[in-house]
Parts: sequence; structure tokens; C-alpha cells
Amino acid sequence: DVKVTQSSRYLVKRTGEKVFLECVQDMDHENMFWYRQDPGLGLRLIYFSYDVKMKEKGDIPEGYSVSREKKERFSLILESASTNQTSMYLCASTWELDRGVTDTQYFGPGTRLTVL
Amino acid sequence: SQKIEQNSEALNIQEGKTATLTCNYTNYSPAYLQWYRQDPGRGPVFLLLIRENEKEKRKERLKVTFDTTLKQSLFHITASQPADSATYLCALPTTSGTYKYIFGTGTRLKVLA
Repeated sequence: DVKVTQSSRYLVKRTGEKVFLECVQDMDHENMFWYRQDPGLGLRLIYFSYDVKMKEKGDIPEGYSVSREKKERFSLILESASTNQTSMYLCASTWELDRGVTDTQYFGPGTRLTVL
Repeated sequence: SQKIEQNSEALNIQEGKTATLTCNYTNYSPAYLQWYRQDPGRGPVFLLLIRENEKEKRKERLKVTFDTTLKQSLFHITASQPADSATYLCALPTTSGTYKYIFGTGTRLKVLA
């Protein structure tokens, strides 16, 4: 069974703090993703990575950065947390079927981040 | 730009009935479409994938159709049970072929006992 784990289920941080969210997958997937999910807006892609040390911006990268030093681990960093980054953060991973074509996304349980 | 629309209003149905959820998309011709289930406070879980050359796909009590002319997918749960209550999301790969998916906002289904 594919397993995607995230470092925290719930997190409360203060404005201006640096926040690290970690995601680990155990299936040797090439691709990993970070989304945020807000009511009425659905899942929005923040960043994704198709290989170690490779990353590409998604639809809403502002205020975020990522790191992928090892294939199984993909970190999302909020350099200076703000209240509008309060959200549910979801990590996902997939195999690559062909160049640029991915398979089913396997999601982690999510991290509910509150920025005060 | 590509768009997905799902009925944002909750769908309430009686146990034992068939639930039908709709996913419409525009400005787009995806090669396949996926459906996911999401429970409150959890990540989405993959249910079914249907390709453009497949009209219908089944898995146990689930059935998905894909009408590329109407640009619509229907998701059916037959003999629905209270345990089927969740939010159901549809997702399509983007045209750019660069690993991205577009997700609908989901439809919340409540099956009443």
C-alpha cells in the first residue's frame, strides 16, 4: 500500500514565523506535489517536483518555497507566515507514466495550519 | 482557460438510492478523468479513472461515465449507504503535460439512513 505521510496534522504558528511542512512517500514516486485547500476554492497547486532537486511553480507559489533533497521527501516552507496562509495543506505523490504524464495522485492526510 | 465545475450544493439522498454527481469541464479535451473521495479533515482518496475512449467504468457500486461531446462525467453510487457520505472531487490533467492536475471544488454527498 502506498503511504504518504505529513509531519503534522495540526499546526498553529504566529505571523512572521518560518514554517516547515514535511511530506514523505514510501513508493519511490518520481513526482511530488503541494496543494492548499480552501472552502469554495478547491485544491490549488503551490509547487511540484518531478525529480530530486527539481521543482516547478504551481498556480499559487507566492510566499512559499520547497525543497527536495531526497526522492522520498518534499518539504514546503513558508518563509514568513501570514494569516492568509491559514489553510489545509495537502501533499501528494505519483509515478510518472510518460514524460509529463502522471498517474493517480496519492495524498497525505493533510496539515491544518493556522497562522495567528 | 481550463475549467471544471461540480455542483457546489450538497446532495442529500436516502439510503439505498442511487446518487449521481456531475463534473463538467470547458475549454479542454482531457485524455482521462479521475474521481476522488474526501472525508472531512482528510486527504482525497483515488476511486476511479476513466479514459476518453471509455464510455463507462465500474468498480463495485461505483460507476463513472465520460461524455467527451458533452464535456461531462457522471459519477454514480448505487445502493448508497450512510458510509458513502463524503465530498467527491473530479480531477483532470492539464493540457500542458507538465504534471499538473485541475481539481473541481467537489460535491458533498450525504446519505440519510
